[in-house]
Amino acid sequence: NAGVTQTPKFQVLKTGQSMTLQCAQDMNHEYMSWYRQDPGMGLRLIHYSVGAGITDQGEVPNGYNVSRSTTEDFPLRLLSAAPSQTSVYFCASSPLAMNTEAFFGQGTRLTVV
Amino acid sequence: DQQVKQNSPSLSVQEGRISILNCDYTNSMFDYFLWYKKYPAEGPTFLISISSIKDKNEDGRFTVFLNKSAKHLSLHIVPSQPGDSAVYFCAASRVGGSNYKLTFGKGTLLTVNP
Repeated sequence: NAGVTQTPKFQVLKTGQSMTLQCAQDMNHEYMSWYRQDPGMGLRLIHYSVGAGITDQGEVPNGYNVSRSTTEDFPLRLLSAAPSQTSVYFCASSPLAMNTEAFFGQGTRLTVV
Repeated sequence: DQQVKQNSPSLSVQEGRISILNCDYTNSMFDYFLWYKKYPAEGPTFLISISSIKDKNEDGRFTVFLNKSAKHLSLHIVPSQPGDSAVYFCAASRVGGSNYKLTFGKGTLLTVNP
């Protein structure tokens, strides 16, 4: 039972490079989201999706792009990496039912130099 | 403007005693609240939740209390164990408005000393 799988676990990028953080879930959840965690800031929502083909912005969307072509996958793209995007990124999924919890992946630690 | 606040960055308790973690919120539209536990280098894991129609929810050693008039909730862990040492995040959502986005507090680092 894999749950939510994120790859890679660690990544170092140079300023200006682009990359895609992968997220896949095998629970057939409609709802998926991306958060970033920074010291003293908690988790902040970047983008979310309520189903295949539907995405929307969260609290801190600038510099990131998402798409949802399948129920299982929700990749997060960094268009041109900046040092301010150094963070730990978490993907989460949940069913579209009332009063349910989100399940999180193990995170991707990204450093932009 | 922080809508979910955990004003204590850290808490230290002795094994066997009670741990009380607090959380305040400002958005009266929140109607579902969750606590997550997070160990280093792992993703957050769900611990316990409470709907706004209740004022208490219990699951083993963990109890969450909700005071809607004060916009305050607390997580009680009794008895505390060293394995409970982790960062605890309070989160809130507006389920009724088809908005399933979670708003998190900054977290409280709990250390349970043997």
